[in-house]
Amino acid sequence: EPEVTQTPSHQVTQMGQEVILRCVPISNHLYFYWYRQILGQKVEFLVSFYNNEISEKSEIFDDQFSVERPDGSNFTLKIRSTKLEDSAMYFCAGTSGRSTGELFFGEGSRLTVL
Amino acid sequence: ILNVEQSPQSLHVQEGDSTNFTCSFPSSNFYALHWYRWETAKSPEALFVMTLNGDEKKKGRISATLNTKEGYSYLYIKGSQPEDSATYLCAFNNAGNMLTFGGGTRLMVKP
Repeated sequence: EPEVTQTPSHQVTQMGQEVILRCVPISNHLYFYWYRQILGQKVEFLVSFYNNEISEKSEIFDDQFSVERPDGSNFTLKIRSTKLEDSAMYFCAGTSGRSTGELFFGEGSRLTVL
Repeated sequence: ILNVEQSPQSLHVQEGDSTNFTCSFPSSNFYALHWYRWETAKSPEALFVMTLNGDEKKKGRISATLNTKEGYSYLYIKGSQPEDSATYLCAFNNAGNMLTFGGGTRLMVKP
């Protein structure tokens, strides 16, 4: 069964460092998302991506964040200068259908900022 | 800010018990309500996507109902098994691209 794969599974970084989280979505999916969960809090939407551009983003997704899908397969989330409060589990997800389509999630990348 | 709440936060039941939990969401601008099952160290897995008021969906021993007018959905598990132990997440969609998640109900089923 096709699955969404994320790397790394865990990354520890120093505050101020750049981090790139990578995702390989399911090949026939068209809509892609990043969500995150800070420990003990709800899963939060970061950004959605369709047709090679951002379609919606939350207030969390500020100038420090960027996404791209450079080669039509990998979907990356970059945090330019990490802060302590960026420590969270980051989930990539995709769907073939907008809005009513169930999301297919990866297993997550745990980011720890020291 | 959309408010999606789930109750209870956690639930311990014995194997064989039936159980249910609740998701409440805004009753305006409803588009879809998702349920996900999330086992520890795995990815959240979709159970149901519900769009119509009065919808009832079933997958094996798990079923869900939807009331969009009053803003709630119930998830039922009949005859709980230890393998049902997981966190159950609901997520509300109001026609944008984003899902707003509840805090989840953590279910533990004792053999």
